[in-house]
Amino acid sequence: DAKTTQPPSMDCAEGRAANLPCNHSTISGNEYVYWYRQIHSQGPQYIIHGLKNNETNEMASLIITEDRKSSTLILPHATLRDTAVYYCIVRVAGNTNAGKSTFGDGTTLTVKP
Amino acid sequence: DAGVTQSPTHLIKTRGQHVTLRCSPISGHKSVSWYQQVLGQGPQFIFQYYEKEERGRGNFPDRFSARQFPNYSSELNVNALLLGDSALYLCASSSLADANTGELFFGEGSRLTVL
Repeated sequence: DAKTTQPPSMDCAEGRAANLPCNHSTISGNEYVYWYRQIHSQGPQYIIHGLKNNETNEMASLIITEDRKSSTLILPHATLRDTAVYYCIVRVAGNTNAGKSTFGDGTTLTVKP
Repeated sequence: DAGVTQSPTHLIKTRGQHVTLRCSPISGHKSVSWYQQVLGQGPQFIFQYYEKEERGRGNFPDRFSARQFPNYSSELNVNALLLGDSALYLCASSSLADANTGELFFGEGSRLTVL
């Protein structure tokens, strides 16, 4: 799996958009970008994933640069419940590869009132 | 549907002892993976089992072992416990239906403390 680099921590005001960056300059053509988050004392939760196109779901949006060397997870209207550690993972898709995900230390997002 | 369930949720052991952690995947999920999460760090991959066969192993010593049963539940065993084995042990499952997604569903974990 390609290595990812994320800032260790970020703050965001409640109600504002939270933009979490991730660098993955060694990403391969068949590797997807996945985002998970982990709220304190819980297991990680899947948020979104993408290959090269921008993606949006009910939780967030994922913006991937054209060269695919970096991406940004956007939480459009952050709430206090979005305070968590956010992990960016790069790997080949498929359930046989999913189980071998390499997690870094992630970004601790703190949403402040 | 029930999510991934793990037991026990918390346990305390002493150095040199053995521990068995259990995981039940989401119904219909055939792939189970184990991760170790030391405080302040991201989860580290230990094992993956798919259709009852080991499909991957992380950089962990032979004191760590696992198996998957015919009903796809799984056990993680750790022998000769060390203080450094204190961690949150996470189990995750995934489904054939997610072959192109590769979404992992995690349990709440088993918190192991070694004294």
